[in-house]
Amino acid sequence: AQSVAQPEDQVNVAEGNPLTVKCTYSVSGNPYLFWYVQYPNRGLQFLLKYITGDNLVKGSYGFEAEFNKSQTSFHLKKPSALVSDSALYFCAVRDKSGYSTLTFGKGTMLLVSP
Amino acid sequence: EAQVTQNPRYLITVTGKKLTVTCSQNMNHEYMSWYRQDPGLGLRQIYYSMNVEVTDKGDVPEGYKVSRKEKRNFPLILESPSPNQTSLYFCASSSFYEQYFGPGTRLTVT
Repeated sequence: AQSVAQPEDQVNVAEGNPLTVKCTYSVSGNPYLFWYVQYPNRGLQFLLKYITGDNLVKGSYGFEAEFNKSQTSFHLKKPSALVSDSALYFCAVRDKSGYSTLTFGKGTMLLVSP
Repeated sequence: EAQVTQNPRYLITVTGKKLTVTCSQNMNHEYMSWYRQDPGLGLRQIYYSMNVEVTDKGDVPEGYKVSRKEKRNFPLILESPSPNQTSLYFCASSSFYEQYFGPGTRLTVT
């Protein structure tokens, strides 16, 4: 069975500092990996995905994520955090065999202080 | 514009009163699914559908039903809602690489 771990319930960072939100996964075979963001009282917004190719994936709002196959990780990063980045972030994984289930982590709350 | 719509967005109901949450997509996707989101648990899949008349259970199907009579619609049915089904519900429609989520339905069962 596939799974996702987001080891931090909350990440605190000061505005202007770099941020990292961690994600590790377990899946049979090669993964498709995703990050979604949820702002308060809003739905899920797609940030970025890794399908194949370059291990560094760039997404919306200046976010990027690095796929590391040996460490089975897909950490979300941003060089300079904004207060408006404060939100709930979800990592998700599915395997590559057709339309399999997308499995989500429990979410990490990012709080960016001014 | 590619879109997944859900209705209603907010619903307060009482235990045992049947309800339906509608979901519709305009992307001609074959794969659709329902999730519930609870604090500290992330999103968990309730049911999914690979195509018209093809549905299957996800991780937390108890107390829910679905139907897929048309490709664009995938309603979620709670025949006898209970307080433990109070949650935020998301419908999703998938291409091969991405899932597109609806805006969510916040359900409270008293």
